[in-house]
Amino acid sequence: QVQLVESGGGLVKPGGSLRLSCVASGFTFSDYYMSWIRQAPGKGLEWVSYINSNGDYTKYADSVKGRFTISRDNAKNSLSLQMNSLRAEDTAVYYCARELGGIDQWGQGTLVTVSS
Amino acid sequence: QSVLTQPPSASGTPGQRVTISCSGGSSNIGSQTVNWYQQLPGTAPKMLNNNHYQRPSGVPDRFSVSKSGTSATLAISGLQSDDEADYHCGAWDASLNHWVFGGGTKLTVL
Repeated sequence: QVQLVESGGGLVKPGGSLRLSCVASGFTFSDYYMSWIRQAPGKGLEWVSYINSNGDYTKYADSVKGRFTISRDNAKNSLSLQMNSLRAEDTAVYYCARELGGIDQWGQGTLVTVSS
Repeated sequence: QSVLTQPPSASGTPGQRVTISCSGGSSNIGSQTVNWYQQLPGTAPKMLNNNHYQRPSGVPDRFSVSKSGTSATLAISGLQSDDEADYHCGAWDASLNHWVFGGGTKLTVL
């Protein structure tokens, strides 16, 4: 069955960095666009970034552009999100997600807390 | 501020039919498929309909979706206590060139 497993979340101070990872299994990872989507506590879903299937096209939400970098390693079935210059408003659960006619598969999420 | 607009809350009693609305614009709901997601407490969202408005395996036929112009509706019939969750609408936005979502609707089963 399809599985997306995120890791790398935690508590970080404002201005700090964190790298999130997502390992995929149960499907041909290299066939799919992938996204990171976040949800601040008690709030709705916010798309953060996506990357195409071979990794040569990426897009970012304005709120993270220039600070976050999405990447993938199809040989390792893995997706990453490098987050720099973190702000309090980046505090959220970050979901790794597969795109197929919508966001059809979600990981369990990893919590990122930005606080001093 | 979410691109798509949903009511923050909805409620119904067991067995009742409830609807949740989602309003957007011409570049998203008006021209793209709307997807609905159910998020049970403490879990990740789960897709309720794909781009062909079909229910993925395991989604009961009590859940149905419709769209008219720049608005969409999720209807849940035969409401059950297990349906108590947050419901999110989402769509591709052809102008922004990325996914957009509503703020979510918390459904309470009374």
